[in-house]
Amino acid sequence: SQQGEEDPQALSIQEGENATMNCSYKTSINNLQWYRQNSGRGLVHLILIRSNEREKHSGRLRVTLDTSKKSSSLLITASRAADTASYFCATVIQGAQKLVFGQGTRLTINP
Amino acid sequence: EPEVTQTPSHQVTQMGQEVILRCVPISNHLYFYWYRQILGQKVEFLVSFYNNEISEKSEIFDDQFSVERPDGSNFTLKIRSTKLEDSAMYFCASNELQETQYFGPGTRLLVL
Repeated sequence: SQQGEEDPQALSIQEGENATMNCSYKTSINNLQWYRQNSGRGLVHLILIRSNEREKHSGRLRVTLDTSKKSSSLLITASRAADTASYFCATVIQGAQKLVFGQGTRLTINP
Repeated sequence: EPEVTQTPSHQVTQMGQEVILRCVPISNHLYFYWYRQILGQKVEFLVSFYNNEISEKSEIFDDQFSVERPDGSNFTLKIRSTKLEDSAMYFCASNELQETQYFGPGTRLLVL
């Protein structure tokens, strides 16, 4: 598998439900960042979590990082129709600056 | 809130033509990047730039590509002789060391 793989590839839930997306990676990282992309648009930064952190919150978003399992999860609580987008995790490998993106999870919130 | 800007938003060009994509990074950032995203695919790293030189580049960033910071604010990506497979969304990003990378809105390039 590649650095920064998300699962599921697609997720469809009802408005108000929670959405959980997972990301796995292969090499040691400096930090991991989650981004949102609306169809055909730019990348909006959501959260950065560093390798020495285990959990971060921002509004309705909660990100966890388990470096022993080389995995991260993004939880969106009380989802809204406006949360419909693709969500990407991206890792910064130790010693580098570039982001390595996964394929993304396409999230659809049904009203 | 400061943001990364990119121009043009869309560019259509003929195969073999040169294109220059422009970016204005966030003013106090020192690290600049170009990424691209072919339609329906993941975002791919092209090049990073620091202290007026390339710090890292990917296999995609071959001799047809070049980057420049011609003045104190602009950061450009030049594709010398475009190919059909260069059609993609190109994103510029900037950050401070090991911090969040902020992305511009992208330039959609279509090579005919």
